[in-house]
Amino acid sequence: NAGVTQTPKFQVLKTGQSMTLQCAQDMNHEYMSWYRQDPGMGLRLIHYSVGAGITDQGEVPNGYNVSRSTTEDFPLRLLSAAPSQTSVYFCGCRGAMDEKLFFGSGTQLSVL
Amino acid sequence: TQLLEQSPQFLSIQEGENLTVYCNSSSVFSSLQWYRQEPGEGPVLLVTVVTGGEVKKLKRLTFQFGDARKDSSLHITAAQTGDTGLYLCAGAGNNDMRFGAGTRLTVKP
Repeated sequence: NAGVTQTPKFQVLKTGQSMTLQCAQDMNHEYMSWYRQDPGMGLRLIHYSVGAGITDQGEVPNGYNVSRSTTEDFPLRLLSAAPSQTSVYFCGCRGAMDEKLFFGSGTQLSVL
Repeated sequence: TQLLEQSPQFLSIQEGENLTVYCNSSSVFSSLQWYRQEPGEGPVLLVTVVTGGEVKKLKRLTFQFGDARKDSSLHITAAQTGDTGLYLCAGAGNNDMRFGAGTRLTVKP
């Protein structure tokens, strides 16, 4: 039982490049979310989804897109990467009636 | 400005000492959680507190939720080197969890 799987673990991009951060969960949880973690800032919510086909914006959504076509997958897309998006990204999930968030091990992204 | 303010930001102590870290907000939360995060990993839930004034114990860790449900504290008794990590508090919103910046604890042998 893998829980929450994030790929890749590390990524370096040039300014203007696009990429997708993958997140998959095998716990059949309805709620999934993306956070970024920066020094001194804690985890800030980017986007979240309460179920397949439903997404919504968090605190810092600009520059990021998401989709939720299946319960299992919640990819995060950067259409045109900027140095300000250098961060560690965490994907989380939880059940609809549960507040316990399960996190993946993160993706460390550097934008040069 | 963080919705949840954690203090201190950094704490370095000797093994065997006691410590308390704090999580404060001007907002009321339906529940508050404490997570512990190790380098290269995602946060892992330690405890959820729901009722104002609630106290929960997890071995040497004692968690308290303020009466007004705006603040919380984490007390560690006789710290061990294995307690080293980043401690994050998080408050439950309508559809998301909002996190503080964390307290980075180092326990030296």
